[in-house]
Formats: sequence, C-alpha cells, structure tokens
Amino acid sequence: EAGVAQSPRYKIIEKRQSVAFWCNPISGHATLYWYQQILGQGPKLLIQFQNNGVVDDSQLPKDRFSAERLKGVDSTLKIQPAKLEDSAVYLCASSLRDSNSPLHFGNGTRLTVT
Amino acid sequence: AQTVTQSQPEMSVQEAETVTLSCTYDTSESDYYLFWYKQPPSRQMILVIRQEAYKQQNATENRFSVNFQKAAKSFSLKISDSQLGDAAMYFCAYRSALMSGTYKYIFGTGTRLKVLA
Repeated sequence: EAGVAQSPRYKIIEKRQSVAFWCNPISGHATLYWYQQILGQGPKLLIQFQNNGVVDDSQLPKDRFSAERLKGVDSTLKIQPAKLEDSAVYLCASSLRDSNSPLHFGNGTRLTVT
Repeated sequence: AQTVTQSQPEMSVQEAETVTLSCTYDTSESDYYLFWYKQPPSRQMILVIRQEAYKQQNATENRFSVNFQKAAKSFSLKISDSQLGDAAMYFCAYRSALMSGTYKYIFGTGTRLKVLA
C-alpha cells in the first residue's frame, strides 16, 4: 500500500511570509493528524481530523495556523504569518479507527523561517 | 492529563550488544496502548513495537522486546544484537481513546541511539 505522502520536503521562508503544507493519507484512513516537531523534541499534536471534521485543535495557534480536510481525504496546513519559532518539522500521520491500527507517518516537511 | 517521560536523551551501544531504552508514563486510565517509534535521519517515524495495557505478556518483535510494568507505569525497549541500522531517535508514545472513537497519541522527548562499530 502507498504510504502517507507529504510535500514539500523542505521549505525556507522569511518571517511574516505564508507557507502551506500538503498531506495525502493512506487510502481509507479516516483519522489524520498534523504534528509539529521542534528540533530535539517529540512530536506535538497541532490538529486531528476524523474524516473532514476536527476532533482536537486545542494546541493549534489559531491566530496564525489553519488546517482543512475538505473532502475527508487530503489535508493542508497553513501558517500565516510565519514566525522564527515556527521552524520545525511538520509531520502528517494517519490511521484507521480500528484499535489495532497504529499511526502511519509521512516523511515530514522541514520548515526553516529566517 | 497523560504524560510520557524519556529520561535518557542519548544512549550508545556497541554493535551486536544489547541496549535498553527507558520510558515512564503517567495516566489514570486502565485501557491504553503503548508504542515505540523509530525516527531515522530520513525523518519518517516507523513503528517498532506496541503493547496493549491489558496484556500482561511483554510484546516481542524479532530483536526488539519490551518490559511493561503496568503498576510502575514503565515501558522500556530492549534491542538485542544491535545493528548499525538501529541508530536513530526512539520515541515512546501513549495512546488513549477519545469520545469521538478515535485516538490521541502523546509522545516522549525521544532518546537518540548511537550504534558503535
């Protein structure tokens, strides 16, 4: 089966610019997660979708971050405007609702804000 | 709220030797899953092993095994016959069920494993 696809792989922007990341989960996976992983830390959940509905966005900085999953398949995460502290790897993951289904991750996007 | 603690920022092991990575967690739930994920330099997180809390038997996957101590809330990973390809960041993760029927994952801060030739 095809894995979780993410793009771009790398992105360098200046502060106050905007950026968007794209994620296509494994086919049939209803749950999609966006994580932020700052260097030297573990992944931190930004937002979780179940199909096209938001399950948890409590740690999403909503003044600058937004995400959508309009058709319940692929998803985009946007940052506008970016700050220096947004430099991180952004990981997308997906899973089935089955309790035996683990998380499957994409390769992530490394964002550098200068 | 649940927390996951990995107290070893970095560990080293000689090739072919055995190493144990530590993980502790805090929860008031009785039903949950625990996972170890490996993150090589390619950045893609790969599932290493999982443990269901209600199962007393420790999970094993080839050279990887866990020591799950539910009462102590401890979940360590043992890697036997270490190989150069095992060098990576290892993350311990706790999974709890949400009312929505989905799951929430909480990750530790990771342990960087170096394998010495």
